[in-house]
Amino acid sequence: EVQLVESGGGLVQPGGSLRLSCAASGFTVSSNYMSWVRQAPGKGLEWVSAIYTTGSTYYADSVKGRFTISRDNSKNALYLQMNSLRPEDTAVYYCARVGYTSGWFRDWGQGTLVTVSS
Amino acid sequence: EIVMTQSPATLSVSPGERATLSCRASQSVSSNLAWYQQKPGQAPRLLIYGASTRATGIPARFSGSGSGTEFTLTISSLQSEDFAVYYCQQYNNWPPGAFGQGTKLEIK
Repeated sequence: EVQLVESGGGLVQPGGSLRLSCAASGFTVSSNYMSWVRQAPGKGLEWVSAIYTTGSTYYADSVKGRFTISRDNSKNALYLQMNSLRPEDTAVYYCARVGYTSGWFRDWGQGTLVTVSS
Repeated sequence: EIVMTQSPATLSVSPGERATLSCRASQSVSSNLAWYQQKPGQAPRLLIYGASTRATGIPARFSGSGSGTEFTLTISSLQSEDFAVYYCQQYNNWPPGAFGQGTKLEIK
């Protein structure tokens, strides 16, 4: 059974940093395209970042230069390092496995809430 | 930038009836469209990809159609567990792709 479990969310001040983790089971992270998708409170879904099997990384313009996606093959885990956080980054962050290499999201974690506020 | 527009914003339907949700792309996305269901407090769940292919475990009452710029998600006979928010997503130019703003399907 595929499982994705996020952790690391919490309250952080503007300008601060946070590192999200996503522990995967039932499949191998490094053999799949993986992504982070976020949802601001009461709002819709927004793609944030992706990492390909090759290790290539991609970011939404809204987070480029501030967020870094990575993975640890030995731990079968995905990460999102978030720096220079802004109030508009407040959201539930979901880890997702991408379907094939297409860009749709076949499996989702339960999400972790990040709140950026003073 | 491809913009996805879903209509209506809210749809009120009685259990047992058919629901039809629409999604329009600002330019052609071919058949590179997915649909997701999200219930309160839960993560989204993939329903449809490739515009019309049901994901594993999705009941046959869910069907998707369309190509190019016009897409439809049809739920043939609404069950109580189907009342939720539905999002479309184009992945023709993923990353980044784009999500629609969602349609809330509520009980009439």
